[in-house]
Amino acid sequence: EAQVTQNPRYLITVTGKKLTVTCSQNMNHEYMSWYRQDPGLGLRQIYYSMNVEVTDKGDVPEGYKVSRKEKRNFPLILESPSPNQTSLYFCASSLDEADRDTQYFGPGTRLTVL
Amino acid sequence: AQKVTQAQTEISVVEKEDVTLDCVYETRDTTYYLFWYKQPPSGELVFLIRRNSFDEQNEISGRYSWNFQKSTSSFNFTITASQVVDSAVYFCALSPYNTNAGKSTFGDGTTLTVKP
Repeated sequence: EAQVTQNPRYLITVTGKKLTVTCSQNMNHEYMSWYRQDPGLGLRQIYYSMNVEVTDKGDVPEGYKVSRKEKRNFPLILESPSPNQTSLYFCASSLDEADRDTQYFGPGTRLTVL
Repeated sequence: AQKVTQAQTEISVVEKEDVTLDCVYETRDTTYYLFWYKQPPSGELVFLIRRNSFDEQNEISGRYSWNFQKSTSSFNFTITASQVVDSAVYFCALSPYNTNAGKSTFGDGTTLTVKP
């Protein structure tokens, strides 16, 4: 089954404790992206990746890091989380950036930073 | 810079009514993609459609139709004969076609409630 998986689905943590949210897709997609969703603000793109070892900033990259060492995985790293990073996070993938006729989303990760 | 505006924050209709969700965008790019997504109460995000800016043909898929007008920078979404299952938050999004093709900008979403 074609899917994008995210782990964990829910996480409560404390300020400053490094965390990683994993994202994996099984469709051999080149394009992957991370978004955060906050009430009234829609989805805002954090980072995206066109292919392995190619990443670029979205609209709200501050406080986040990503890496794309393998095609299937695109982890989101919060080196020192702060309460303003409390949000719902979605990972997405598609065949490539120019052929996004179908874009698949992960189920979301709800992060709370205390 | 790109911008997507969904002026309707919330819409409420009665089942079987037609409803149109508005989307207006701003971009300096001459070619770009436009998208619509659905987020039902369960929270997942569902891709609905992608349009290229050089293809202004309207599209129909069952009860869903999309009207793209480049002259007014609008990409509106109409649901015909709405059903309770259409209740969701709907997002319009924009991304460039060439440079920064991976960058996406979303509108704030329109919450549609369809009452029985």
